[in-house]
Amino acid sequence: NAGVTQTPKFRILKIGQSMTLQCTQDMNHNYMYWYRQDPGMGLKLIYYSVGAGITDKGEVPNGYNVSRSTTEDFPLRLELAAPSQTSVYFCASSIRDRVYNEQFFGPGTRLTVL
Amino acid sequence: GQQVMQIPQYQHVQEGEDFTTYCNSSTTLSNIQWYKQRPGGHPVFLIQLVKSGEVKKQKRLTFQFGEAKKNSSLHITATQTTDVGTYFCAGRRNAGNMLTFGGGTRLMVKP
Repeated sequence: NAGVTQTPKFRILKIGQSMTLQCTQDMNHNYMYWYRQDPGMGLKLIYYSVGAGITDKGEVPNGYNVSRSTTEDFPLRLELAAPSQTSVYFCASSIRDRVYNEQFFGPGTRLTVL
Repeated sequence: GQQVMQIPQYQHVQEGEDFTTYCNSSTTLSNIQWYKQRPGGHPVFLIQLVKSGEVKKQKRLTFQFGEAKKNSSLHITATQTTDVGTYFCAGRRNAGNMLTFGGGTRLMVKP
């Protein structure tokens, strides 16, 4: 199993450009998440999904959109990129379980908006 | 909303010294998880604590969950250079699978 994969690894955007961050997991996990991590800080939840066709906002959703058409894929879309979106973006997944739900993280996408 | 605070933010230790990071939640948690992130890497799950007062050990690492299920700690005995990284706690409330991450404690070990 590859686990959680993310592309691209690095990207530089100009202000106002758009892009999609890709995330794929091959563990058949129901739950998927997008986090951002600013330098020296913790993880902030952007969006999450509990299954194909179902998404919901996290703590910091403004400026982002997501979709979940399949169990495996959970892309994150940035429209009109702003310098405040410079961050490292992590995708994660977990099983649906009432008690044990460790999250598996992808390697991250380092995004710079200039 | 729920807040999870971690202290200290940074800790420098000499190799062989002990290290402790503390995690406090503003609300009662159903469980708490701990993750380690190496420099330039991604968070990796270490352990989950579920029961009030629970204590778990992984070699030199000891994890505790408070009696009120609002705080937790991670203690590393005799640190090694391989322990370098940022340690995050993440609290889960009863509803849903969502975790709220603490700000992390960055551990630096001098050889």
